[in-house]
Amino acid sequence: QVHLVESGGAVVQPGGSLRLSCAPSGFTFSNYGIHWVRQAPGKGLEWVTFINYNGNDKYYADSVKGRFTISRDNSKSTLYLQMNSLRHEDTAMYYCAKDNSDYYIDHWGQGTLVTVSS
Amino acid sequence: EIVLTQSPATLSLSPGERATLSCRASQSVSDGLAWYQQKPGRVPRLLIYAVSNRATGIPARFSGSGSGTDFTLTISSLEPDDFAVYYCQQRSKWPPHFGGGTKVEIK
Repeated sequence: QVHLVESGGAVVQPGGSLRLSCAPSGFTFSNYGIHWVRQAPGKGLEWVTFINYNGNDKYYADSVKGRFTISRDNSKSTLYLQMNSLRHEDTAMYYCAKDNSDYYIDHWGQGTLVTVSS
Repeated sequence: EIVLTQSPATLSLSPGERATLSCRASQSVSDGLAWYQQKPGRVPRLLIYAVSNRATGIPARFSGSGSGTDFTLTISSLEPDDFAVYYCQQRSKWPPHFGGGTKVEIK
C-alpha cells in the first residue's frame, strides 16, 4: 500500500527558512517522480514543484521559483523541499504526492502545515 | 502558462441528481486533463485521468469527457459520499496548475 509521510512543518517568521521531508513507502521510490502541492487554509490546491525519478528534471511554480528547491535522495528514499525567504502567502498545508509516470497525481500524503507568521 | 477555469463555483443538488461540472482551459491541453475529489478535512484523490479514464476503485457513476479546451466531469446519480470539492488539473504543459474547484453541496 502506497504511503507518503511528510514532516518538517512549523511556524516560521517571514524571511525564514524551512526544510520539509517526505518519506514514501509501498512503491519503488526511485522509479517515480514526486510533486509538492500546497493548500492555504480554506483555499484551493496549488501545484508547487515536481522532481522526476532520478532528480535530473525539476519544475517550479512561478510563485516559488528562486526560493524553493526540491531534491531527492533515492538511496534514502526521501524527498526534500527547501523553502527559503518565506512569505505570509506561503502559509499552507504542504502535500507530497506521487506521480503516476504520466504527470498525474495518484497518491497523496497527509500533509504538513507551514505557517509563516511574525 | 495554462489557466483552468471551473464552473460553477458551487453546485447545489440533491442525492440522486446528475451533476455536471465544467473545466475550461485557456489553451488546448489535448487529452492531458485530470479530475480530483477532496472531501472536508481529507486529502484529494484522483478520480479521472487523461480526460476519461477512471482511476483505480472509482465508481462508474463518475465519467469524464471533452477535448482541447473544454472538459466535463459528470456524476450520473449523486450519492451522499459525493458531496465534496472537485478540481481539474492539466498536465500538458508546465506548470500543471489546478483549476479553482467546484463545490458540490447538498441542496
